[in-house]
Amino acid sequence: SQQGEEDPQALSIQEGENATMNCSYKTSINNLQWYRQNSGRGLVHLILIRSNEREKHSGRLRVTLDTSKKSSSLLITASRAADTASYFCATASYGNNRLAFGKGNQVVVIP
Amino acid sequence: DADVTQTPRNRITKTGKRIMLECSQTKGHDRMYWYRQDPGLGLRLIYYSFDVKDINKGEISDGYSVSRQAQAKFSLSLESAIPNQTALYFCATSDSSSTSDEQFFGPGTRLTVL
Repeated sequence: SQQGEEDPQALSIQEGENATMNCSYKTSINNLQWYRQNSGRGLVHLILIRSNEREKHSGRLRVTLDTSKKSSSLLITASRAADTASYFCATASYGNNRLAFGKGNQVVVIP
Repeated sequence: DADVTQTPRNRITKTGKRIMLECSQTKGHDRMYWYRQDPGLGLRLIYYSFDVKDINKGEISDGYSVSRQAQAKFSLSLESAIPNQTALYFCATSDSSSTSDEQFFGPGTRLTVL
């Protein structure tokens, strides 16, 4: 079953705007990861946040984690047309060396 | 990711045919995974392997089998393909010695079963 559930499912924004997407999960986790997928291609790892972290930054990416609410958000600042992609969250649980992927958010950045 | 390759990239086959999808990696990772992706369903794990000859079922293993004869190769077989196995298939790898738990994905194989 899917662990992560992204919300919203689709987002269309103008270049330069910020894009925010959310992910919720059901069980305790070791870490949560975000991946990007360009149309029909393989997923690329973006950022990982551990269960004892609350916020992490990488370039224009900011991810937050609220373990009390079992949710995470990914913010892409100053979006570019090249950010057009699907974004997936994936959770890793303790004692389980597998990732459970959410259904993905499709983001379209209009030039 | 050029370090993880999948063959073929596209395949059209007929119901009942046996199909093998190959995955090779040059990253030296010990862990390998097979996923399928369907529109609106995200990625679902079919099988995974943590070492040569180690095979573990994922959430949707029925109708599939795998083989891990070498660390660098992990093959996925559909013994008798059916139309609802039409999907995009991804192989991924990870390194058990890494603290990041990051997985590295191949470019995918688009399989159509008629």
